[in-house]
Amino acid sequence: SQQGEEDPQALSIQEGENATMNCSYKTSINNLQWYRQNSGRGLVHLILIRSNEREKHSGRLRVTLDTSKKSSSLLITASRAADTASYFCATDGSGANSKLTFGKGITLSVRP
Amino acid sequence: GAVVSQHPSWVICKSGTSVKIECRSLDFQATTMFWYRQFPKQSLMLMATSNEGSKATYEQGVEKDKFLINHASLTLSTLTVTSAHPEDSSFYICSASWGTSGKDIQYFGAGTRLSVL
Repeated sequence: SQQGEEDPQALSIQEGENATMNCSYKTSINNLQWYRQNSGRGLVHLILIRSNEREKHSGRLRVTLDTSKKSSSLLITASRAADTASYFCATDGSGANSKLTFGKGITLSVRP
Repeated sequence: GAVVSQHPSWVICKSGTSVKIECRSLDFQATTMFWYRQFPKQSLMLMATSNEGSKATYEQGVEKDKFLINHASLTLSTLTVTSAHPEDSSFYICSASWGTSGKDIQYFGAGTRLSVL
């Protein structure tokens, strides 16, 4: 299956610390996306990184992609209590008809 | 921009009744809309993909007659859970994208929590 797997499953940090979340996948991809979901809500797109990119930044977010290891990481710097949410990586396949497949998610808790 | 509205956010119904969930793209034309189901602390499970004006493409194991999807316009898709049973209780989320590919960025509704008594 193409499904990405996030690691760790749960992460608890203090406000101001950095949070690093990892995603591994199994087959070739075109893009990898990270989404965020607040409890009981829909998902919000955070960032998309293409297979020919190695690193991308957006505000306090930094995403890396290592296609040789089939892995990606999401770093949130200077975390805030409002960053508390579940984070999902989503991978597509290289096939023309492939769709996004979401991992199980990482629950991030940022303690004030 | 790219706002998707999903309604209702929460519905309780009796077993055997049907429930319709609406998904609207408010500020863009959604060529493709997706319907997902999510169980507590689980990932999103894609149920079906719908393109405006054509029949939805259902994922393996999803009953077409049970989960009716209509995508009548570029801004509206509906999911009807027919003859709902308690096992249909779940969190249903729609998303929409500009493109025709399932690989594009998706913009999600806030979800609908369905409870079937």
